Amino acid sequence: GESVGLHLPTLSVQEGDNSIINCAYSNSASDYFIWYKQESGKGPQFIIDIRSNMDKRQGQRVTVLLNKTVKHLSLQIAATQPGDSAVYFCAENKGFQKLVFGTGTRLLVSP
Amino acid sequence: DAGVTQSPTHLIKTRGQHVTLRCSPISGHKSVSWYQQVLGQGPQFIFQYYEKEERGRGNFPDRFSARQFPNYSSELNVNALLLGDSALYLCASAGDSGLSTDTQYFGPGTRLTVL
Repeated sequence: GESVGLHLPTLSVQEGDNSIINCAYSNSASDYFIWYKQESGKGPQFIIDIRSNMDKRQGQRVTVLLNKTVKHLSLQIAATQPGDSAVYFCAENKGFQKLVFGTGTRLLVSP
Repeated sequence: DAGVTQSPTHLIKTRGQHVTLRCSPISGHKSVSWYQQVLGQGPQFIFQYYEKEERGRGNFPDRFSARQFPNYSSELNVNALLLGDSALYLCASAGDSGLSTDTQYFGPGTRLTVL
């Protein structure tokens, strides 16, 4: 079925630490995944995406890893900053730009 | 360049009423999608329009309808409002290629409260 889930609802880290947010998906045929960041009172903001023909993709301070064998992806944020505090969603593109979102992980960064 | 804009920002309605939400995509984008986000959950797909044609519909009742205009702006209409329709309604626009992998950019949303 269509489901994109997350392992942890809340992740608390210290400023400067690396953060890892995990996501599991159920459809082995899925081929495109996106991470969004949503701050309070705002719409989701695109962070990074990855296609199934890749295992890893890097952006500025962020890395997404895709493990197709166990149907799992993760978002790594290096040197986490207070401004990174937000809810992070993984989303699966189901075609015709239909995104299926998970419930989200809240990242709390303390100074 | 302006991002995706939505209006109004907040709206309060009573049960049974009708509501129209509006979205203007990023300049040059031809695809608009609508999502409903209930508090504490991820957004749920409602509709996707490309070049004024509906290309996708989520699992929502017929009370929900939408359309896209020649300038690519869009309206989401909800009839016979229920308490459970209270949510943040998000609009997202994507590029002009029409491909599924075009990045979707979200607006700030319209917060609808149904009393």
